[in-house]
Amino acid sequence: NAGVTQTPKFQVLKTGQSMTLQCAQDMNHNSMYWYRQDPGMGLRLIYYSASEGTTDKGEVPNGYNVSRLNKREFSLRLESAAPSQTSVYFCASNQRSEQFFGPGTRLTVL
Amino acid sequence: EDKVVQSPLSLVVHEGDTVTLNCSYEVTNFRSLLWYKQEKKAPTFLFMLTSSGIEKKSGRLSSILDKKELSSILNITATQTGDSAIYLCAGSPGYMDSNYQLIWGAGTKLIIKP
Repeated sequence: NAGVTQTPKFQVLKTGQSMTLQCAQDMNHNSMYWYRQDPGMGLRLIYYSASEGTTDKGEVPNGYNVSRLNKREFSLRLESAAPSQTSVYFCASNQRSEQFFGPGTRLTVL
Repeated sequence: EDKVVQSPLSLVVHEGDTVTLNCSYEVTNFRSLLWYKQEKKAPTFLFMLTSSGIEKKSGRLSSILDKKELSSILNITATQTGDSAIYLCAGSPGYMDSNYQLIWGAGTKLIIKP
């Protein structure tokens, strides 16, 4: 089992560019999450999907959109990147309380 | 509003010392409290606590939950440089839609000096 996978691992964007972060899990989990992590801020929830076909906003959704493509895949899209979106992005999934994390994407917006 | 507060935010100790990290929580219909360790990558799961007073142990790490005080501690004995990491605490609320979101603390950055 690969667990939770994310692509890409690193990305540099210019302000205004768009991109999609991909996430997939092979643990047959219902729930999936996108977080961003900034120094000293812990993990902040951007969007989550409690089950296939549903998505909901988390704590910091502005500037992002998500798609729960199927039970395995949950993508995060930045339509017009801003320097404030420079961060490390983690995808996670769970069935019960314990969440399993992907390796993260380090995104820099210039 | 649900929240989880960790203290201290950072801690520097010498190898061999014992450390105690604190986590307090206010979480709707509390289900469980989780501890994670984060080195230079993704958080990895350490413990999940659901019952008050029961200690979970793994080697030199242990954790206990106090439901009356709405808090938990993570102890690390005989610290090693490999214990240097950010330790994250998260509360699991019992929302009506059965969603298993976690409410995260800001983390404690632990540095172990040789």
